[in-house]
Amino acid sequence: SQQGEEDPQALSIQEGENATMNCSYKTSINNLQWYRQNSGRGLVHLILIRSNEREKHSGRLRVTLDTSKKSSSLLITASRAADTASYFCATVKPPYFGNEKLTFGTGTRLTIIP
Amino acid sequence: ETGVTQSPTHLIKTRGQQVTLRCSSQSGHNTVSWYQQALGQGPQFIFQYYREEENGRGNFPPRFSGLQFPNYSSELNVNALELDDSALYLCASSPSGGGSGELFFGEGSRLTVL
Repeated sequence: SQQGEEDPQALSIQEGENATMNCSYKTSINNLQWYRQNSGRGLVHLILIRSNEREKHSGRLRVTLDTSKKSSSLLITASRAADTASYFCATVKPPYFGNEKLTFGTGTRLTIIP
Repeated sequence: ETGVTQSPTHLIKTRGQQVTLRCSSQSGHNTVSWYQQALGQGPQFIFQYYREEENGRGNFPPRFSGLQFPNYSSELNVNALELDDSALYLCASSPSGGGSGELFFGEGSRLTVL
């Protein structure tokens, strides 16, 4: 079963704009990760945020985590055509703390219009 | 590119047959995880192997089985194939028994069951 849901399911923006994707989950977690997948290929890890962290940055990526609302957001700034992909959040629930059993959401399909 | 290789990339089987999928982990990684991704869905955790021992299993029936070898490569075996087993099977490796968090995915094996 899917733990989380991404919102929106699909998003189209102009190149250069910022893209925001949201992830909601149901139970308490130890960490939350974001992955990117290009058109049916393998997933690429983007960023990991632990349950005691509220915000992390990596290049053009900014992730926030609100454990009280059981939600996370991924912001991609200054989007590029190469950012076109599906984005998934994945949670790790207790008793696991690393990557022993990731539970993925349903994904957001992001399209960047040149 | 992650250094995780999977074979075969595509295969077609008929209902009731058996299939073996193979995965070579990235150099230095001793943990391998397998995920099933149905079309339009997020990946679902099948199981994880750490140093040749199963280190967690998802909600999959016993006809899904696995192995990890001393060189940390891995196999996923599925017996008595059903139509719903049609999916992209993703292998991921990581450098420790889950503690690092990040998973490094291969490009997947796409299985079609007719």
